[in-house]
Amino acid sequence: NAGVTQTPKFQVLKTGQSMTLQCAQDMNHEYMSWYRQDPGMGLRLIHYSVGAGITDQGEVPNGYNVSRSTTEDFPLRLLSAAPSQTSVYFCASSEDRGTDTQYFGPGTRLTVL
Amino acid sequence: KNQVEQSPQSLIILEGKNCTLQCNYTVSPFSNLRWYKQDTGRGPVSLTIMTFSENTKSNGRYTATLDADTKQSSLHITASQLSDSASYICVVSPLRGGYNKLIFGAGTRLAVHP
Repeated sequence: NAGVTQTPKFQVLKTGQSMTLQCAQDMNHEYMSWYRQDPGMGLRLIHYSVGAGITDQGEVPNGYNVSRSTTEDFPLRLLSAAPSQTSVYFCASSEDRGTDTQYFGPGTRLTVL
Repeated sequence: KNQVEQSPQSLIILEGKNCTLQCNYTVSPFSNLRWYKQDTGRGPVSLTIMTFSENTKSNGRYTATLDADTKQSSLHITASQLSDSASYICVVSPLRGGYNKLIFGAGTRLAVHP
């Protein structure tokens, strides 16, 4: 199993550009999440999904969109990039919520100029 | 506001020594407390998960303890190795809510020197 994969590994955008961060998992997990990690802060939840076709907002959803058309894929879209979105983004998946282990991808380091 | 605070922010130890990392939380009631290891440039990896009724959980040289009365948890690393150099993150899950409610600490950055 590849686990959770993310692409790209690094990305530089100019303010106002849009892009999609890809996330895929091959463990048939229902639960998937997107987090951002900023220096000196804990991971913060952007959006999450409890299954195909179901998504919801987390703590910091503004400026981001998600969709979940399949169990495997959970892309994160930046609509109009801003410098405040410079961060490291992690995708995670788990079989169940609450008590189950979360598996994180390797992350995407995004810089918005 | 529910919080998870970790100490120290950073720590340097010599290879072979033991160390203990602290996690204080105000989340109540809570379902479980997790410790993750995050190597530089990588995603977090789960070390232990303890429910509110557990006092200790081990994973090799890593031992997590939990005192629900004082709302404190610690992660003890025995006989440290260079590969233990990483950030260690404490995460608390409130009783009501799934992954949309997890509260992450900012982490402790551990450096193990030869």
